[in-house]
Amino acid sequence: QQQVKQSPQSLIVQKGGISIINCAYENTAFDYFPWYQQFPGKGPALLIAIRPDVSEKKEGRFTISFNKSAKQFSLHIMDSQPGDSATYFCAASIGGYQKVTFGIGTKLQVIP
Amino acid sequence: NAGVTQTPKFQVLKTGQSMTLQCAQDMNHNSMYWYRQDPGMGLRLIYYSASEGTTDKGEVPNGYNVSRLNKREFSLRLESAAPSQTSVYFCASSEPTGPGELFFGEGSRLTVL
Repeated sequence: QQQVKQSPQSLIVQKGGISIINCAYENTAFDYFPWYQQFPGKGPALLIAIRPDVSEKKEGRFTISFNKSAKQFSLHIMDSQPGDSATYFCAASIGGYQKVTFGIGTKLQVIP
Repeated sequence: NAGVTQTPKFQVLKTGQSMTLQCAQDMNHNSMYWYRQDPGMGLRLIYYSASEGTTDKGEVPNGYNVSRLNKREFSLRLESAAPSQTSVYFCASSEPTGPGELFFGEGSRLTVL
């Protein structure tokens, strides 16, 4: 069973729009929640991460919102650009290392 | 600065054949991992090595073996390949403590006929 549930599996957004990807988890021992970005033919790369003592973290156009009571977190991409077209994975781990559990991924396409 | 290097990038095997995927990192990381990526399944951990000389099973270890050859190298072996092992395999490395960023290689695409 999936420990980290991610939706949607695919997303099409117009250039300049907001892309939103949602994740939910069950294990309350998770204490580190990273997002990875993967371009075709490449390995995933860390995009942004958050710890549960913070409700929001922003880096440029990318924002993570975290709701500890609901056990949910989401990635918002503001002013989405065609260069943001990639697969995005949410993830969770305990202690910030070792066994990182990934969601199934969201394939984002930003159209001009 | 190469980061994490995987070989081969592509491989086609017949059912029952064996092969080894090689991985090397030049970031002096202590921990290394093997993941497989399948459509609709995300990235699933096969095996990991917290430090040189140790290996542990991940979520989907059946049908695989690993060897942590030294601090830099971590190999994944398929002893008798099966079509269900058709996948893209990623090696990653990280420090065992701290923010937990995984550094991935570019992947090895394996097809088992």
